[in-house]
Amino acid sequence: DIQMTQSPSSLSASVGDRVTITCRASQSISSYLNWFQQKPGKAPKFLIYGVSSLQSGVPSRFSGSGSGTDFTLTISSLQPEDFATYYCQQSYSAPPTFGQGTKLEIK
Amino acid sequence: QVQLVQSGAEVKKPGASVKVSCKASGYTFTGYYMHWVRQAPGQGLEWMGWINPNSGGTNCAQKFQGRVSMTRDTSISTAYMELSSLRSDDTAVYYCAREGSGISGYYNPLYWGQGTLVTVSS
Repeated sequence: DIQMTQSPSSLSASVGDRVTITCRASQSISSYLNWFQQKPGKAPKFLIYGVSSLQSGVPSRFSGSGSGTDFTLTISSLQPEDFATYYCQQSYSAPPTFGQGTKLEIK
Repeated sequence: QVQLVQSGAEVKKPGASVKVSCKASGYTFTGYYMHWVRQAPGQGLEWMGWINPNSGGTNCAQKFQGRVSMTRDTSISTAYMELSSLRSDDTAVYYCAREGSGISGYYNPLYWGQGTLVTVSS
């Protein structure tokens, strides 16, 4: 199975900050990388697919980049509703696997 | 709009089985694969498998082979996931999630149910 490793595991930031979360795959996954946002007690929300394509309705302050094994999720200017846990997921091969998550907290 | 409504919370004893349902609406049920993903308390997301609602064909993660059964009833647009020989470490929220469309490749769980908490305890 392909291992997905996120860093950092947790992150404290303030409203208006620019934040970046990193995701590394244990082997090349080309551009088959998705990002999810999850708030406490809620189901994950599909944010970004194919590394950088925003799902409909996702604000443009979210962006993704990378290829091969190294990927990033960037939030350009944090809003109060962005404080959540973020997961990357590879859709390159079965079984699809997720990173361990990055918890984004208010500083 | 796409909606996935799951069955309610369950409490089971070790060794028992649980069957979770996922009723779909707002789209053609047989047109999209349905994933099952679980999340243990305070932990990350774990893909269990998926079912092709059109054919009934399934594929599951090796970890769950022999213990999980994914089925569907197309007449009521409902998918099911049954997990047997339950252990305490199967305590988790179980989600169904519909595959996306217009996305290259597979394994893109776009729409999610609200989750079903399964607690395994003696």
